[in-house]
Amino acid sequence: DTGVSQDPRHKITKRGQNVTFRCDPISEHNRLYWYRQTLGQGPEFLTYFQNEAQLEKSRLLSDRFSAERPKGSFSTLEIQRTEQGDSAMYLCASRQEGQRYYNEQFFGPGTRLTVL
Amino acid sequence: GQQLNQSPQSMFIQEGEDVSMNCTSSSIFNTWLWYKQDPGEGPVLLIALYKAGELTSNGRLTAQFGITRKDSFLNISASIPSDVGIYFCAGQSSTDSWGKLQFGAGTQVVVTP
Repeated sequence: DTGVSQDPRHKITKRGQNVTFRCDPISEHNRLYWYRQTLGQGPEFLTYFQNEAQLEKSRLLSDRFSAERPKGSFSTLEIQRTEQGDSAMYLCASRQEGQRYYNEQFFGPGTRLTVL
Repeated sequence: GQQLNQSPQSMFIQEGEDVSMNCTSSSIFNTWLWYKQDPGEGPVLLIALYKAGELTSNGRLTAQFGITRKDSFLNISASIPSDVGIYFCAGQSSTDSWGKLQFGAGTQVVVTP
């Protein structure tokens, strides 16, 4: 049973450095979401892909953030010039196409980012 | 920011007791989901609800989609130690086209023997 996987699980970086995270969704899922979760809060939506097309971006996604899903399979989230406020858990979720009103999103284990 | 109000924020209960939590939104939702999250892990889907008034069970868990479409409830019966964790409600607004979820801030459940 291959669920959603994320790499790395933990990342510690210095302020100003660039970081990149990877998400591998469940293989038959063509919809992929990125969320960010800070301590004591629920996840907040960042961006959404349907196949390789990025169809929605949250205002939380500043110009230092970029996400790609080049072949409609795995996705990457890059943060440039990291700031301490970027410290959070970055979660990826995927969902199967087809049943319009069925929005069961399955999450990966997350990447915990700490910016020093 | 989050638009869902989830309560209570935390619950300390004894093993065998029932647990109830709820979530409300300011707008109409067409999907309600309940997740459980353990420390350092991603949320795990427990129950999904798609119709107003719908009542769905998953083992000792029961959730309901409120008839106003602005709230949902989760009950855990006969709690056991492994029920410890943070429970999140999540929903999709009826005005959303792409399925992004809005989450509550979570209910932390602590079960004592």
